[in-house]
Amino acid sequence: QQKVQQSPESLSVPEGGMASLNCTSSDRNFQYFWWYRQHSGEGPKALMSIFSDGDKKEGRFTAHLNKASLHVSLHIRDSQPSDSALYFCAVSEPSGGYKVVFGSGTRLLVSP
Amino acid sequence: EAAVTQSPRNKVTVTGGNVTLSCRQTNSHNYMYWYRQDTGHGLRLIHYSYGAGNLQIGDVPDGYKATRTTQEDFFLLLELASPSQTSLYFCASSVGQNERLFFGHGTKLSVL
Repeated sequence: QQKVQQSPESLSVPEGGMASLNCTSSDRNFQYFWWYRQHSGEGPKALMSIFSDGDKKEGRFTAHLNKASLHVSLHIRDSQPSDSALYFCAVSEPSGGYKVVFGSGTRLLVSP
Repeated sequence: EAAVTQSPRNKVTVTGGNVTLSCRQTNSHNYMYWYRQDTGHGLRLIHYSYGAGNLQIGDVPDGYKATRTTQEDFFLLLELASPSQTSLYFCASSVGQNERLFFGHGTKLSVL
């Protein structure tokens, strides 16, 4: 079983709508959460990180972390067609240095 | 933005063949990672390193070797390639623990 679980696998929202993505880790050693976005034909690019309980907002993107449940979510306000991409949750784990483990991703489609 | 260069972009080999994938970063980053990306599995960590000469085992290391020859260069070696290793391979680097990863454009490997 993957240590980082993402849901849903795919998500479709209308332009201007709110997209909500979820991520749960199964290991309390995980210290730091990152969200990455990958457009077709490119490598993933970091969006934002969160390591404290509560909300963190960066522009249209808001991340929420609940450390007790090891759950982090990403909310995209006023979604745009350019937000259509594969979104990954990633966590860093102290293990012979620091390894970074990714979830299986959520594919977001924003329709005009 | 930090640059990570992978080569080749595409590679086709036969079962049992030898393959070397190359990755170079000139960002003075300490950490370098090799991932494979497969539909339904997201990004899975093969090997990583936190400095020249250092090598750490990731989550899916079987059939792969890696070597970090310098601070800049990280190589992934498939000595007896198998069709199950057909995948999209990404290299990434980061300055340190809990920092964002910068990814290359990927290498598409096909093992026939």
